[in-house]
Amino acid sequence: DTAVSQTPKYLVTQMGNDKSIKCEQNLGHDTMYWYKQDSKKFLKIMFSYNNKELIINETVPNRFSPKSPDKAHLNLHINSLELGDSAVYFCASSLRGEGEKLFFGSGTQLSVL
Amino acid sequence: DQQVKQNSPSLSVQEGRISILNCDYTNSMFDYFLWYKKYPAEGPTFLISISSIKDKNEDGRFTVFLNKSAKHLSLHIVPSQPGDSAVYFCAASARGGTSYGKLTFGQGTILTVHP
Repeated sequence: DTAVSQTPKYLVTQMGNDKSIKCEQNLGHDTMYWYKQDSKKFLKIMFSYNNKELIINETVPNRFSPKSPDKAHLNLHINSLELGDSAVYFCASSLRGEGEKLFFGSGTQLSVL
Repeated sequence: DQQVKQNSPSLSVQEGRISILNCDYTNSMFDYFLWYKKYPAEGPTFLISISSIKDKNEDGRFTVFLNKSAKHLSLHIVPSQPGDSAVYFCAASARGGTSYGKLTFGQGTILTVHP
């Protein structure tokens, strides 16, 4: 009955590989996000989707491609992984009218070796 | 060019005392501010927020103060409890324009409340 669930929790992979992180929310929210927490601990927005439509796309390499098959799911696919991609990735959701009150998943710790 | 800064990486407080966490911002377009709390191995959870039209918002033991002229906000926890031990993130949003729903976070302050 987890509100925002993301898998996997840990992801260890080699440079150059392609990997995906999945996210699902059962809160009935219409907006979903991907945030990245870097080594300095800052949480930075990467993407935002509202009803499957991309509405925020920060300066993120095009190796990162979000996909939203429906408004309850937002997956993140990363091509040609680099060492600098190592971080914790958080999925979140909200209602459009309450966009600042985000509900976060527990994070995916990605380690690129 | 961090627009939201929490200059204290950590804070240690005795149970029952007041905890004061501070946050500074530089972008004058920010008009909505929030605090999130994060336990280890969990995602951040929303704690309390304040609009720029107010200078104080209170919710139980938690009060957020906003000083717009100083571009400073603070979170007060009274009385502090051991269960409050967590990382606290300050966040800001510019509700107008196209940045709606985009939060800019500080780097967090680790609060430890000792029994």
